[in-house]
Amino acid sequence: IAGITQAPTSQILAAGRRMTLRCTQDMRHNAMYWYRQDLGLGLRLIHYSNTAGTTGKGEVPDGYSVSRANTDDFPLTLASAVPSQTSVYFCASSDSGTGYGYTFGSGTRLTVV
Amino acid sequence: GNSVTQMEGPVTLSEEAFLTINCTYTATGYPSLFWYVQYPGEGLQLLLKATKADDKGSNKGFEATYRKETTSFHLEKGSVQVSDSAVYFCALLTGFQKLVFGTGTRLLVSP
Repeated sequence: IAGITQAPTSQILAAGRRMTLRCTQDMRHNAMYWYRQDLGLGLRLIHYSNTAGTTGKGEVPDGYSVSRANTDDFPLTLASAVPSQTSVYFCASSDSGTGYGYTFGSGTRLTVV
Repeated sequence: GNSVTQMEGPVTLSEEAFLTINCTYTATGYPSLFWYVQYPGEGLQLLLKATKADDKGSNKGFEATYRKETTSFHLEKGSVQVSDSAVYFCALLTGFQKLVFGTGTRLLVSP
């Protein structure tokens, strides 16, 4: 089934630990994105990648890093988790990079304690 | 900068009632406008879009018209169903920038 796969579905993480959220797409979309969703704040862009080998910072990049070694995978890493990073994280992809028809994954619910 | 403002929720309606969820935007240039829907426990799905002024996007009985003069893109449906209960996000995109979302509006439809 074409789409985006995110893993894990949910995770409880101790503060200070390192964590990588995985995102894989099988649609050969060139652009990929990471958003976090918090109550009352909507979705905020963390990092994005317009094409394999390039990445950029979004609205709230601090504490997060990404890599785009190939077209399909776009992992998000929290180097040292803090409680304010408790959120639901969504990976998305789009063709052409213009944002037309973003496809979203089902999300990862992360709780940092 | 670009921004989207949505009415706060929750919006609570009875089945078959008329729905309006307001959305206004601020943008440089001429944005494309979108409505996304998020059902419980799922990711966002594109509901409808409009790419230029006076365009009307429609899908599953929902409609929204791109109003440049009022910078609005209000979502409407003539008769809501319980299955429409979800969170609705208005969003905009200009050029090669990234989607900017509103804060979302929760819709609760009771039988």
